[in-house]
Amino acid sequence: DAGVIQSPRHEVTEMGQEVTLRCKPISGHNSLFWYRQTMMRGLELLIYFNNNVPIDDSGMPEDRFSAKMPNASFSTLKIQPSEPRDSAVYFCASSLSDVNTQYFGPGTRLTVL
Amino acid sequence: AQSVTQLDSHVSVSEGTPVLLRCNYSSSYSPSLFWYVQHPNKGLQLLLKYTSAATLVKGINGFEAEFKKSETSFHLTKPSAHMSDAAEYFCVVSDPASYQKVTFGIGTKLQVIP
Repeated sequence: DAGVIQSPRHEVTEMGQEVTLRCKPISGHNSLFWYRQTMMRGLELLIYFNNNVPIDDSGMPEDRFSAKMPNASFSTLKIQPSEPRDSAVYFCASSLSDVNTQYFGPGTRLTVL
Repeated sequence: AQSVTQLDSHVSVSEGTPVLLRCNYSSSYSPSLFWYVQHPNKGLQLLLKYTSAATLVKGINGFEAEFKKSETSFHLTKPSAHMSDAAEYFCVVSDPASYQKVTFGIGTKLQVIP
């Protein structure tokens, strides 16, 4: 199995630009999670989906952040407009809802200048 | 509500000596508990998990953890540290009532001294 795939692995952009992060979960997994990791805050859950439906987005920091899961094999996290404080590593994870073990992708390192 | 406390932000051990990374949790229900490891500039890898079966859980790379309900603890141990164990370790609690929502500890950075 390829595991959770994230792209891009690194993204450098300028303040005000739109950023789109992508995630392909493990085939057959029906839950998907987006996390943000920073030195100051550690790992934060932003949003998670079950069967493509957003279940809890209370961790999404602001309206500038949005996430979609149009089908079982793809999700996006979009930041528009981006700000320097959004610089972080963003992880995607997936799981089978009845097994409850999350498998993480390699992360996207975002730098907003 | 659920929470997890990793009692040490940094632990330093000599190669070949035992490792103890401490974790305490709080949960309204019988939780699932996990340890993840993150090597520098890498993603998180599952080390082991407890899901109400045996209280002593064995994981990869020689790590194990013991679930102690009376102490609300889930400490991670390894008999003999290896240089490759240097990484950051996260204790995670999952409360079934929160529908898969997990809570991560702040992480413990393990340094292994040659």
